[in-house]
Amino acid sequence: NAGVTQTPKFQVLKTGQSMTLQCAQDMNHNSMYWYRQDPGMGLRLIYYSASEGTTDKGEVPNGYNVSRLNKREFSLRLESAAPSQTSVYFCASSGPGSGVYEQYFGPGTRLTVT
Amino acid sequence: AQSVAQPEDQVNVAEGNPLTVKCTYSVSGNPYLFWYVQYPNRGLQFLLKYITGDNLVKGSYGFEAEFNKSQTSFHLKKPSALVSDSALYFCAVRLRGNNNDMRFGAGTRLTVKP
Repeated sequence: NAGVTQTPKFQVLKTGQSMTLQCAQDMNHNSMYWYRQDPGMGLRLIYYSASEGTTDKGEVPNGYNVSRLNKREFSLRLESAAPSQTSVYFCASSGPGSGVYEQYFGPGTRLTVT
Repeated sequence: AQSVAQPEDQVNVAEGNPLTVKCTYSVSGNPYLFWYVQYPNRGLQFLLKYITGDNLVKGSYGFEAEFNKSQTSFHLKKPSALVSDSALYFCAVRLRGNNNDMRFGAGTRLTVKP
């Protein structure tokens, strides 16, 4: 049982390049989330998916897109990276239903945009 | 808008002494409250949550938290700190009826000195 896995662990992009961050969970959770973590700001929600086939914007969605490929996988895409998107990105999941569940986090992806 | 505040960026305690990490929240209804811990280069790990009932919640690794509705606080406590408790601690709040909108505080760095 691997929990929540993320790839890659590190990435350096040039301004304007695109990339996709991958996330998968093996806990049969319904909900999945993408956060970014910046110093002194805690975690901010980018997008979430309450169930397979649905996605919704969080607090800071601009510049990002997401895909809930199936129940296990939730990807985050940066179409045209900007230096302001330099951050650590965390994927999380919770479930299995609509109760008050804690979130389980992946190990993170450290992204630098130059 | 819901929010959570952690008034201390840094807390230092000596090993064996009690520790408190403070959290206050601002929501328009009754909240669900969470504490998470983050060790270096790792994702967040769930410690405990308050849903309803007893105001004193016990969690992992000997941590507990006290929900105080009148003071809108949810402080994290441990009777005897360990050096291994040194980490970054996050308080989070979620509104009832909204399974996916979790707001995190900025984090408090706890350092326990031998």
